[in-house]
Amino acid sequence: AQSVTQLGSHVSVSEGALVLLRCNYSSSVPPYLFWYVQYPNQGLQLLLKYTSAATLVKGINGFEAEFKKSETSFHLTKPSAHMSDAAEYFCAVVNTNAGKSTFGDGTTLTVKP
Amino acid sequence: DVKVTQSSRYLVKRTGEKVFLECVQDMDHENMFWYRQDPGLGLRLIYFSYDVKMKEKGDIPEGYSVSREKKERFSLILESASTNQTSMYLCASRSTSGRYNEQFFGPGTRLTVL
Repeated sequence: AQSVTQLGSHVSVSEGALVLLRCNYSSSVPPYLFWYVQYPNQGLQLLLKYTSAATLVKGINGFEAEFKKSETSFHLTKPSAHMSDAAEYFCAVVNTNAGKSTFGDGTTLTVKP
Repeated sequence: DVKVTQSSRYLVKRTGEKVFLECVQDMDHENMFWYRQDPGLGLRLIYFSYDVKMKEKGDIPEGYSVSREKKERFSLILESASTNQTSMYLCASRSTSGRYNEQFFGPGTRLTVL
């Protein structure tokens, strides 16, 4: 069984401030972890993915995430928020055998000017 | 670029109607998925398909069926639409070659059942 918990359904930051979106997972096998972003009225698109090659993963648009096995976490960060980062963010864990993903409930990021 | 298209962006149907949602991908992906997205509930898997003519129930299959006759097309069917099926429906596809493959999503269909 696998599950994902995203702490905080809404996060608000000021432009230029640090962005931190939290994701904790549980998985009975080594996890494949993903962060997706959804802009208004669009489908999801991949931000970054953990492939076990490195614990710190860099993605698009300046985002990165760190895999911490001891904390079962995969938090998403960006040093300086931009207005265009306002969107909904989803963390997902994949069942490697079936390819099915389990998604968190999502975190809506608001960026204030 | 991978492209996943969905037949409608917005759809309004009446209770009891049979509804077809179509999804087409152009990258020869083996896996395809249908999700519904509701506020505060994230994405919930309705059905997925490993390959042509192969399907498996997801977490919330009740009231839905699917069809995959061709590799590029995955249809979601609401046999008798109900108001509690008003939602955003997202289709996705995924390649099985390689180990860390992400899903590629369509733009979504916002379905309203009156």
